[in-house]
Amino acid sequence: NAGVTQTPKFQVLKTGQSMTLQCAQDMNHNSMYWYRQDPGMGLRLIYYSASEGTTDKGEVPNGYNVSRLNKREFSLRLESAAPSQTSVYFCASAGTYSNQPQHFGDGTRLSIL
Amino acid sequence: QKEVEQNSGPLSVPEGAIASLNCTYSDRGSQSFFWYRQYSGKSPELIMFIYSNGDKEDGRFTAQLNKASQYVSLLIRDSQPSDSATYLCAVNIKAGTALIFGKGTTLSVSS
Repeated sequence: NAGVTQTPKFQVLKTGQSMTLQCAQDMNHNSMYWYRQDPGMGLRLIYYSASEGTTDKGEVPNGYNVSRLNKREFSLRLESAAPSQTSVYFCASAGTYSNQPQHFGDGTRLSIL
Repeated sequence: QKEVEQNSGPLSVPEGAIASLNCTYSDRGSQSFFWYRQYSGKSPELIMFIYSNGDKEDGRFTAQLNKASQYVSLLIRDSQPSDSATYLCAVNIKAGTALIFGKGTTLSVSS
């Protein structure tokens, strides 16, 4: 039972490089989310997709773009990476309504030099 | 700005004791409340969730809601060293599907 799968698990980039983080879920969930987690800052929502074909900005969307490729997959793209984007990125998915719990992937640890 | 506040800790308890973790929320319309456990270097793992209609007990864990005071608590009975982790509280917002997370409370259980 895979749940939420994120790739890659680790990545090192140079400033200005681009990168796409991949996320796929096999729970038939409608909603998917991208968070970043930094020490002392907690989980901060970058973007989310309430259903296939829709995306919305979260708390910290600047410097990121997302694509809801289909119901299973939700990718996060950094077009021109900056050191401030060094973080741990988590993808999560949940059923349709906000009262349903989110399930997280294992995370991507991204360092930008 | 809708907020969820948690004491960062660390909260230190001896093995076998009851650990009490609290979380306050600002949106009076919040209806669903979630507790996640996160071990260092790992992803958040759902422990339990409650809705506005009542408390819930699951094994050693109990989640309680005080709507009047706008706080939710997680009690861990018979605390074990393996419970040492950061506990994240999350609350639904009134509109949309995104949860708001607190910054977490670090729990340390000593043997």
